[in-house]
Amino acid sequence: DAKTTQPPSMDCAEGRAANLPCNHSTISGNEYVYWYRQIHSQGPQYIIHGLKNNETNEMASLIITEDRKSSTLILPHATLRDTAVYYCIVRAGSARQLTFGSGTQLTVLP
Amino acid sequence: GAVVSQHPSRVICKSGTSVKIECRSLDFQATTMFWYRQFPKKSLMLMATSNEGSKATYEQGVEKDKFLINHASLTLSTLTVTSAHPEDSSFYICSARVAENSNQPQHFGDGTRLSIL
Repeated sequence: DAKTTQPPSMDCAEGRAANLPCNHSTISGNEYVYWYRQIHSQGPQYIIHGLKNNETNEMASLIITEDRKSSTLILPHATLRDTAVYYCIVRAGSARQLTFGSGTQLTVLP
Repeated sequence: GAVVSQHPSRVICKSGTSVKIECRSLDFQATTMFWYRQFPKKSLMLMATSNEGSKATYEQGVEKDKFLINHASLTLSTLTVTSAHPEDSSFYICSARVAENSNQPQHFGDGTRLSIL
């Protein structure tokens, strides 16, 4: 699986959009970008995934650059409950497991 | 959505005790489940891949005799930490995917915090 690079930490004001970047410059054509988050002392929670096109669901939006070498997870209106470690992972559909990096600790400030 | 249930959520026991952790896929069948371990302030590390009806596949450095995995049905995998010692204290998390060889995401249990005294 391709490696990803994320900033170790970010802050965001409550109610504002949180934009979390991820670099995956060595991504292969068959690899998807997945985002998970882990709130303290819980298991990771799936957020969203995509291949080429931008994706949106009830939790977030995923913007993938045209060359697919980077992506941004957008939480449109961050709340205190969005404080968590966010993991960006790239994986081919045929691959079995997910490999976690260090992630980004997002802290939403009141 | 797909749900993975893990039990117990927390275990505190004496050194030398064996501890069993259950992982269930509640609304889907999983031929493959995954077991991760997470130490404080660290990321998740894959320990082993649990395969229904066959032997588990362990990652390098993980003792298969120490961490026994059984995947007897399509909805249940168990991890038994045998003769646990304080260094085995950690957060253990299981995961499963709805469909093999697809882009479908993995779903995770809420984890089991194991504390060995």
